Amino acid sequence: GAVVSQHPSWVICKSGTSVKIECRSLDFQATTMFWYRQFPKQSLMLMATSNEGSKATYEQGVEKDKFLINHASLTLSTLTVTSAHPEDSSFYICSALAGGAADTQYFGPGTRLTVL
Amino acid sequence: EDQVTQSPEALRLQEGESSSLNCSYTVSGLRGLFWYRQDPGKGPEFLFTLYSAGEEKEKERLKATLTKKESFLHITAPKPEDSATYLCAVQGVGGGNKLTFGTGTQLKVEL
Repeated sequence: GAVVSQHPSWVICKSGTSVKIECRSLDFQATTMFWYRQFPKQSLMLMATSNEGSKATYEQGVEKDKFLINHASLTLSTLTVTSAHPEDSSFYICSALAGGAADTQYFGPGTRLTVL
Repeated sequence: EDQVTQSPEALRLQEGESSSLNCSYTVSGLRGLFWYRQDPGKGPEFLFTLYSAGEEKEKERLKATLTKKESFLHITAPKPEDSATYLCAVQGVGGGNKLTFGTGTQLKVEL
């Protein structure tokens, strides 16, 4: 149980384009999901908290107009990187809060974004 | 501000050579301490949650323990498939369900 998927697993795009990443909880409903980014050899940095049916809460220093988050259902959250630039290249990982053990986050497999 | 420090940064063991990984933390009220395993190019895999000092949890060759200042992940008779980065994270009171992660210990188990 508590399986989280992400799509795509990797994406390459040109500078200036937008990219959408999907995060799905497959076998449970998640009112809260989180988006992280991870640079090589570094730990996970929380970008934003996504709550179903409401606006996302962004961490300090994260541009909300650049990283658009939508959590339209109890099993799906999306992260759109708008007008991507090479510095946005990173490993993006989502997690979902499981209902049974409400404080445990289960993570997706991650999405590798490369902006040329 | 919650802080997590993990040591060592990297650890190389021979198969069967037991050892421990350390996670020191400071938090204004601990709701939970979490251990995850992360393989290269993958998302973290949940291992354990510890809630209070003195608590211990086991899973196969792994055992996690918790004190008021630190947690240990003991690995008994490791195998090459245990090679991964082990991440520690804390969830503090007043932070909602946010996790603060350490930088991890990269474990390599050799034959």
